[in-house]
Amino acid sequence: EAGVTQFPSHSVIEKGQTVTLRCDPISGHDNLYWYRRVMGKEIKFLLHFVKESKQDESGMPNNRFLAERTGGTYSTLKVQPAELEDSGVYFCASSQDFVPGAYGYTFGSGTRLTVV
Amino acid sequence: AQSVTQLGSHVSVSEGALVLLRCNYSSSVPPYLFWYVQYPNQGLQLLLKYTTGATLVKGINGFEAEFKKSETSFHLTKPSAHMSDAAEYFCAVSPYYGNNRLAFGKGNQVVVIP
Repeated sequence: EAGVTQFPSHSVIEKGQTVTLRCDPISGHDNLYWYRRVMGKEIKFLLHFVKESKQDESGMPNNRFLAERTGGTYSTLKVQPAELEDSGVYFCASSQDFVPGAYGYTFGSGTRLTVV
Repeated sequence: AQSVTQLGSHVSVSEGALVLLRCNYSSSVPPYLFWYVQYPNQGLQLLLKYTTGATLVKGINGFEAEFKKSETSFHLTKPSAHMSDAAEYFCAVSPYYGNNRLAFGKGNQVVVIP
């Protein structure tokens, strides 16, 4: 089966610009997650979709970040306007089961965002 | 809330030597425990996981980890390092019930010396 696909793989934008990251989960996986790793820090949870609904968005850093999941398929994460501290690697993951311990997550390769 | 501690951001190991990466966690509820590996220019790949049952868990590429509840640890080992093991390794914890987000450690960058 195809894995979790993220694009772009890299993005360099100027401060104040807008960037949209996309994630295509594994087909049939209702659960989709966004995580972020800022340089030198841990990978941190951003939010969790179950189908098209936001189950938990408590990790979103501020209202400059907007996540959507159209029709319960792919998801986008928009940063508007981007700030320097938004630089990092954004990971998407999907899971067949609501409790990921049973099957675990499958992660994408990540999008490396650099804000200059 | 859960948290994970991985000490030593960079770990050097000689080819053929034991690989030992330490992971300690804190969790207010029974945890699921994971080790992920990230090879250069790739995504996070699941190495192994502990859910319930046997506390010694075997994963891919010869790695294994042992869940020790009394020590709140889940250390990762491999008897003999190979050059292809050079990667970054992450320990993560997720609660058995409640929210299902993963909490990660800071990661260990493993360098294998020929």
